Amino acid sequence: DAGVIQSPRHEVTEMGQEVTLRCKPISGHDYLFWYRQTMMRGLELLIYFNNNVPIDDSGMPEDRFSAKMPNASFSTLKIQPSEPRDSAVYFCASSALARVGETQYFGPGTRLLVL
Amino acid sequence: AQKITQTQPGMFVQEKEAVTLDCTYDTSDPSYGLFWYKQPSSGEMIFLIYQGSYDQQNATEGRYSLNFQKARKSANLVISASQLGDSAMYFCAMREANTGNQFYFGTGTSLTVIP
Repeated sequence: DAGVIQSPRHEVTEMGQEVTLRCKPISGHDYLFWYRQTMMRGLELLIYFNNNVPIDDSGMPEDRFSAKMPNASFSTLKIQPSEPRDSAVYFCASSALARVGETQYFGPGTRLLVL
Repeated sequence: AQKITQTQPGMFVQEKEAVTLDCTYDTSDPSYGLFWYKQPSSGEMIFLIYQGSYDQQNATEGRYSLNFQKARKSANLVISASQLGDSAMYFCAMREANTGNQFYFGTGTSLTVIP
């Protein structure tokens, strides 16, 4: 089975540009999580969805960040406008069922560099 | 208060020796799960092992075992017979039943295996 798929794997952009990160969760998984990882702040939960509905977006840094999940097999994280401090690795992860014993499976991550 | 605390930013171990990575957690939820993930230098997050709050026995997965001490709220990862490929960041995480099933991550421990 295919794991969590993220695209692009690497993105280099200039400050002020719009950036869209994409994620395809594992088929049948009900939960989708977006994380950001930096050396300074570690792994931060940005937002997570259950059955395509955003449950908690308190980790979204500011209004420049938005996330959508139009269907069970696709989610986007958009940054508009991007800033150099947004440079990080962005992970998408998915998990099956609302049960504490279910692990989450991570995608390979998108390495974003904003110049 | 931090949900997950990993107090060892960096650890060194001799090849073929065992090493323990510490993790303490904070929860009042009786139902929760504890997870360990490995992140090698290539960047992907790999699920290693899981322990449920109601599990009577410590979890084991190959060379990985989890030293679960519920009263002390600790869930230390033990890696036996360390290999060079074990050099990586290791993250402890928790999922609670009553907080929407999001995952809480520690800050990670960097493990270096010395030949």
